[in-house]
Amino acid sequence: DAKTTQPPSMDCAEGRAANLPCNHSTISGNEYVYWYRQIHSQGPQYIIHGLKNNETNEMASLIITEDRKSSTLILPHATLRDTAVYYCIVSYLHGSSNTGKLIFGQGTTLQVKP
Amino acid sequence: NAGVTQTPKFRILKIGQSMTLQCAQDMNHNYMYWYRQDPGMGLKLIYYSVGAGITDKGEVPNGYNVSRSTTEDFPLRLELAAPSQTSVYFCASSHSNLLGAFFGQGTRLTVV
Repeated sequence: DAKTTQPPSMDCAEGRAANLPCNHSTISGNEYVYWYRQIHSQGPQYIIHGLKNNETNEMASLIITEDRKSSTLILPHATLRDTAVYYCIVSYLHGSSNTGKLIFGQGTTLQVKP
Repeated sequence: NAGVTQTPKFRILKIGQSMTLQCAQDMNHNYMYWYRQDPGMGLKLIYYSVGAGITDKGEVPNGYNVSRSTTEDFPLRLELAAPSQTSVYFCASSHSNLLGAFFGQGTRLTVV
């Protein structure tokens, strides 16, 4: 499984966009990029995923570079409730020749400040 | 729907005791996972299953066993509990990664 590198911590002002980077320089062609977050020791929550194209849903946007070696999770208007540990994971899609197991790294602790 | 349900929520074990952590999901997901999370650390994959009757080791399987006799249930067995197994244990399930994985609320286990 490809490994990811994330900054250990980041701050963001409430109401501003939070941009969380992730490096995955060894990602293979069939691996997806996933983002999860964990709020105060609760079970992790799925946010978004993508393969090549940029993706957007009601929670966030995911920007993947053209060479796929890095990505950025964007929370467009961060709130205090977005304070959490954010995990970037690369994994194969279920049903492919690999099993798509999710291996978590250390993540980025995002602190949203008033 | 209840989603992913873990029982118990808290447990204290003595060294050498055994126990089973229960995990059940009602979403008909094929894929299920067990993770542990030590204080201040990320999640480590213990075991996972891609369907009933199929299990495989994750990153830290030693000291644990699993079974998957039904689609709904994925119990994690601890034999001969050790202090190093003090952790928070999370169970998760997914249908496919198109929708991401759903996690339970965790079981906080202390071995003394």
